[in-house]
Amino acid sequence: SAVISQKPSRDICQRGTSLTIQCQVDSQVTMMFWYRQQPGQSLTLIATANQGSEATYESGFVIDKFPISRPNLTFSTLTVSNMSPEDSSIYLCSVELGDSVYNEQFFGPGTRLTVL
Amino acid sequence: GIQVEQSPPDLILQEGANSTLRCNFSDSVNNLQWFHQNPWGQLINLFYIPSGTKQNGRLSATTVATERYSLLYISSSQTTDSGVYFCAVASSNDYKLSFGAGTTVTVRA
Repeated sequence: SAVISQKPSRDICQRGTSLTIQCQVDSQVTMMFWYRQQPGQSLTLIATANQGSEATYESGFVIDKFPISRPNLTFSTLTVSNMSPEDSSIYLCSVELGDSVYNEQFFGPGTRLTVL
Repeated sequence: GIQVEQSPPDLILQEGANSTLRCNFSDSVNNLQWFHQNPWGQLINLFYIPSGTKQNGRLSATTVATERYSLLYISSSQTTDSGVYFCAVASSNDYKLSFGAGTTVTVRA
C-alpha cells in the first residue's frame, strides 16, 4: 500500500478566491489522480496527473478552473480557482500501485472544502 | 464509459446480521475495488478483486467477471461497519476508475 497525505484537511473559503490542495505520497508513483465528491454523491475523476506531462482532464473539467501541477513522482497539487459555493466538495487524490497485471488505487484522506 | 450499478442504495441492519451488497458493471474489467468510506470521508481499501474470491475477517468478496458482477458480504455486522460502500471498476482498455453510487449501510446496536 502507500501512505498518502493531503493538506489542508479542510478549509472554508470565500467565493471568488482560490485554494491549492497538496498531495504527498511516501513512494514514487507514476499515476496520480484527483477526484471530487460533491455532498451526498459518489466520486468523480477530475484529472490524471503524470510527472513530466500535462494533466489529462475528464469531460466537464478544465485546466483554467482546476490547474494541476506534478513536479515529481511523490507530489501533486490541485488548485480550485475562482471558487463558488458549487465547488463545496471533498477533493481526494489517489495513486495507482502495481504493474500491468496488478493495479490497485489508494486514496488520500481528502480535503473538505466549503465555499461561502 | 463503463457503467457501474450498486444495490441496494441503502441498507439498515441490526448488529450481528449478515448482508450482501451487489455491484454490476457493463464491460470487461481489469480492476475492481471495494471501498468503505467512513464518516470522516476517508476511503478504506477493502478488496482489490477483478476476479475470484477473497476474504478478510468478517468481510468477503466475489467477482464473477464473465457475468459482470461482484458481491461484498458482511457477516456478523458491527456498528463500526456503518458508512458508505463503493464499488469502483476500470475497463480492460483503461486505467481510470469509475465509481458506483454506493450503498449506505447503517448498523444499529
